[in-house]
Amino acid sequence: AQSVTQLDSQVPVFEEAPVELRCNYSSSVSVYLFWYVQYPNQGLQLLLKYLSGSTLVKGINGFEAEFNKSQTSFHLRKPSVHISDTAEYFCAVAGGFKTIFGAGTRLFVKA
Amino acid sequence: ETGVTQTPRHLVMGMTNKKSLKCEQHLGHNAMYWYKQSAKKPLELMFVYNFKEQTENNSVPSRFSPECPNSSHLFLHLHTLQPEDSALYLCASSPIPGDEQFFGPGTRLTVL
Repeated sequence: AQSVTQLDSQVPVFEEAPVELRCNYSSSVSVYLFWYVQYPNQGLQLLLKYLSGSTLVKGINGFEAEFNKSQTSFHLRKPSVHISDTAEYFCAVAGGFKTIFGAGTRLFVKA
Repeated sequence: ETGVTQTPRHLVMGMTNKKSLKCEQHLGHNAMYWYKQSAKKPLELMFVYNFKEQTENNSVPSRFSPECPNSSHLFLHLHTLQPEDSALYLCASSPIPGDEQFFGPGTRLTVL
């Protein structure tokens, strides 16, 4: 069975500052890892995914994430955020054809 | 249209009404999903269909009844709902279960 923990429910940050959204997972099988973003009144859309290979994954809108197998983490980072990055971010883990989503982290970018 | 579409986008219904939510995907995917998203709660998986067959029912009350007539269409039939069923209902599809999911915009349901 898999589980996902997003360690912060809300992250306020000033515009142009760096941000890290934390995600830890547990699984008894090999997994695929995902980050999704949800803007207000919309469905989720994929930011990036880790399937195999390089542990540093680059996604859309300048986001990247690093897969750390020993720490079972998949933290999302962006070196400089914009007001338009204000949204809800979901980490997800898939293994054995089942996907589990984290509770979400609300990123609020302040001017 | 491309991607995953959901209709209606908004629905208000009484507890005795019967209504249906519709989801359509134009991506050629084989797996489709229904999720419930309530305020302050994690995304809840309700049902999974793979090649039109239901592969997961996450202990969903029987007042929610899914239907998958083909790999492109997914319905959620609603009857005798409760106010606590008010939420955003999201449909998604993926090439296979466990792969990247593509989400529709959701149906905002309010039960009075």
